[in-house]
Amino acid sequence: ETGVTQSPTHLIKTRGQQVTLRCSSQSGHNTVSWYQQALGQGPQFIFQYYREEENGRGNFPPRFSGLQFPNYSSELNVNALELDDSALYLCASSFFIGTAGNTIYFGEGSWLTVV
Amino acid sequence: AQTVTQSQPEMSVQEAETVTLSCTYDTSENNYYLFWYKQPPSRQMILVIRQEAYKQQNATENRFSVNFQKAAKSFSLKISDSQLGDTAMYFCAFMRGGSQGNLIFGKGTKLSVKP
Repeated sequence: ETGVTQSPTHLIKTRGQQVTLRCSSQSGHNTVSWYQQALGQGPQFIFQYYREEENGRGNFPPRFSGLQFPNYSSELNVNALELDDSALYLCASSFFIGTAGNTIYFGEGSWLTVV
Repeated sequence: AQTVTQSQPEMSVQEAETVTLSCTYDTSENNYYLFWYKQPPSRQMILVIRQEAYKQQNATENRFSVNFQKAAKSFSLKISDSQLGDTAMYFCAFMRGGSQGNLIFGKGTKLSVKP
């Protein structure tokens, strides 16, 4: 058990719709990041939040956005869904302590299918 | 930009035997961290082992050990006494020092442990 939980586990959306995925981090973790994992690929970094502010983003368009809340929960929002957005979305949390590397813990993911 | 390459899409090993998974990476950074993650069919990403680049000693965790060759930018994972529960996708990942949650993953190696 990593202490990172995600919801929903599976969902199906129609192209053009919007979706919100949720994540609850380990208590005390101040950093949350989101990854997209297409079938047969390694996870791709979407963005990360530190103390409720986005401070890093991968190569994803602005229709991917997020929020981090004081209670260690976070959201990933995707607008104007496209078929290629179909993937497993992984939430990961950690406690960042400066230049020392932090161990990152993952949730079980949310499977999104866009039809 | 950093890249991570796993050149073995699939590997198989007999139960109780030893197997080595390969990983190479490319970076100009001097401070970084390397990880091996395991992803079983349940899809949760589980940390197997972690290596700090500034440490010369190879990391070990029970049956799992790494061969870290910094000059060659190589980071292989050795699994001893393979067990059926080791069957999973294995991902090598890189994180720049000071980065809070931005892991760069390889494409993974599918390991099958046969009875």
